[in-house]
Amino acid sequence: ILNVEQSPQSLHVQEGDSTNFTCSFPSSNFYALHWYRWETAKSPEALFVMTLNGDEKKKGRISATLNTKEGYSYLYIKGSQPEDSATYLCAFKNNNAGNMLTFGGGTRLMVKP
Amino acid sequence: DAGVIQSPRHEVTEMGQEVTLRCKPISGHNSLFWYRQTMMRGLELLIYFNNNVPIDDSGMPEDRFSAKMPNASFSTLKIQPSEPRDSAVYFCASRTTDTQYFGPGTRLTVL
Repeated sequence: ILNVEQSPQSLHVQEGDSTNFTCSFPSSNFYALHWYRWETAKSPEALFVMTLNGDEKKKGRISATLNTKEGYSYLYIKGSQPEDSATYLCAFKNNNAGNMLTFGGGTRLMVKP
Repeated sequence: DAGVIQSPRHEVTEMGQEVTLRCKPISGHNSLFWYRQTMMRGLELLIYFNNNVPIDDSGMPEDRFSAKMPNASFSTLKIQPSEPRDSAVYFCASRTTDTQYFGPGTRLTVL
């Protein structure tokens, strides 16, 4: 069983604050790390797919970094807005998993206006 | 492309009834996944198919659950007989080589 953990489980920030949260995963047999944004009553939406150690990806005010040697990825949101409120999921794929992703439990972000 | 299509979007049924959930993956995607989302367990993979062939069904809870993919554009997840603890949102997802795309989900309520 692969252990993919996200912290914190939930986070409340004020509009305009910058924030970040963590995804940790097994560092052996790494293949890819995915980040998803999941709004209530909708389906998960892909944000990033990261494959190389040291990768940094950016989409608007959201960015992510990857450290495959130590098994973690950070997701950053700069200047949070109420519309950023969602659950952010990471999902890990290793070399032995075929096409399977193992999802973390998610970080629920709530941005107060 | 319309994305991954799931039907029905909502299903309310009584315990003991058969439930069939349907999924149409994105055209050209060769992998299809069925997930279940509950408050207690989060997002769990139930089964996935590669090129219409079931690869890993270790996440299927028990024999009451079955999934088929008769062709590249259609898959079903069947629960027979359904039980109240099956109440959840069931997501279908498809992918080709990189990103996995989720359908809108089916919210199942078993009374």
